[in-house]
Amino acid sequence: SQQGEEDPQALSIQEGENATMNCSYKTSINNLQWYRQNSGRGLVHLILIRSNEREKHSGRLRVTLDTSKKSSSLLITASRAADTASYFCASEDSGAGSYQLTFGKGTKLSVIP
Amino acid sequence: DAGITQSPRHKVTETGTPVTLRCHQTENHRYMYWYRQDPGHGLRLIHYSYGVKDTDKGEVSDGYSVSRSKTEDFLLTLESATSSQTSVYFCAIVEPGKDTEAFFGQGTRLTVV
Repeated sequence: SQQGEEDPQALSIQEGENATMNCSYKTSINNLQWYRQNSGRGLVHLILIRSNEREKHSGRLRVTLDTSKKSSSLLITASRAADTASYFCASEDSGAGSYQLTFGKGTKLSVIP
Repeated sequence: DAGITQSPRHKVTETGTPVTLRCHQTENHRYMYWYRQDPGHGLRLIHYSYGVKDTDKGEVSDGYSVSRSKTEDFLLTLESATSSQTSVYFCAIVEPGKDTEAFFGQGTRLTVV
């Protein structure tokens, strides 16, 4: 069954605003990853947070992880039109092995210039 | 982009015909995966490989088979295509290490008519 669930499913903001996306998962994990997908393209890895980490930054990205609530959030600050894409969380299940990722259904972000 | 090439990029086939999709990598990564992406479902794992001739099933493996005779190539075969297999198929690779981010191909859009 699908593990990761993002919300909102769609988000529309003005350029310069911050965008926050949330993700929930169901099992114990090794790490939680976020990916971006531009229309018609493959997924691109953005950031990975390990299960023993609570917060991580990379450029304009900030990701948090709450293992007690089995949830994560991705914050994109000072958004740009080029950030328009779908964003997916993916959890690496600690019990599955083989570095399998379970993806959520994604958040479609539209940044209006 | 990581050295992953999927072929073909687009294919239309008739119900009941066999179809093979190819994933080729130049990164020498040990793990390779096939996912399908459908609206409302995100990405779901079909099969994966953890080495030459070593493969295992994922969440949605029914109707699909895979083969990996060389490190660089991972083939996905639909033995007898059905309309429910109309989807976008993505290949991904992972090299185990400290952080196991996945690198994705550009996808193959398959339509079964």
